[in-house]
Amino acid sequence: DADVTQTPRNRITKTGKRIMLECSQTKGHDRMYWYRQDPGLGLRLIYYSFDVKDINKGEISDGYSVSRQAQAKFSLSLESAIPNQTALYFCATSERGRGYGYTFGSGTRLTVV
Amino acid sequence: GQQVMQIPQYQHVQEGEDFTTYCNSSTTLSNIQWYKQRPGGHPVFLIQLVKSGEVKKQKRLTFQFGEAKKNSSLHITATQTTDVGTYFCAGDSGTYKYIFGTGTRLKVLA
Repeated sequence: DADVTQTPRNRITKTGKRIMLECSQTKGHDRMYWYRQDPGLGLRLIYYSFDVKDINKGEISDGYSVSRQAQAKFSLSLESAIPNQTALYFCATSERGRGYGYTFGSGTRLTVV
Repeated sequence: GQQVMQIPQYQHVQEGEDFTTYCNSSTTLSNIQWYKQRPGGHPVFLIQLVKSGEVKKQKRLTFQFGEAKKNSSLHITATQTTDVGTYFCAGDSGTYKYIFGTGTRLKVLA
């Protein structure tokens, strides 16, 4: 089984719909992150959480919300999806402290029509 | 806010040629990481650099961190088809979260 699992892998949704992307990890890491990837723009940080009670906005949090249900679970919600939220979304985890590389999930490809 | 740029955006090389990608941050970094993403895959951590002027090698890959800790480079010697992918740098300016560069997509022609 993958260390960081994202569901669903692919999703097509309509404008205005609420959608949740889920991430779970078996690494035992405290820190979890949500990034979106767009061609030519790299990976941009949406939200991050350093523990269950700590949630922080990243570079591009508008239109998104998150929930850290447990150490192992971190969900990303689009309250009212819009077409420019069409992207590849990655969840990542890391150990506490500076200097540990991220472990990424396989990504969720989201299309908003 | 902090920005991290990479050049070039794309690079096509013949197999056996060398390749270099450059990463520049708008702020001084406490450390920098490099990742590789294969086509259709997810980013995979390669290495971290912490010290000013640090150089690290992994087989044919050489990573450098600038003296001012605002830039970094990744050099691949004698590229192989297995090197194909997008290479990202990611910088931490002391906030314990990493800002990723825009990436360099490498294609290797056999």
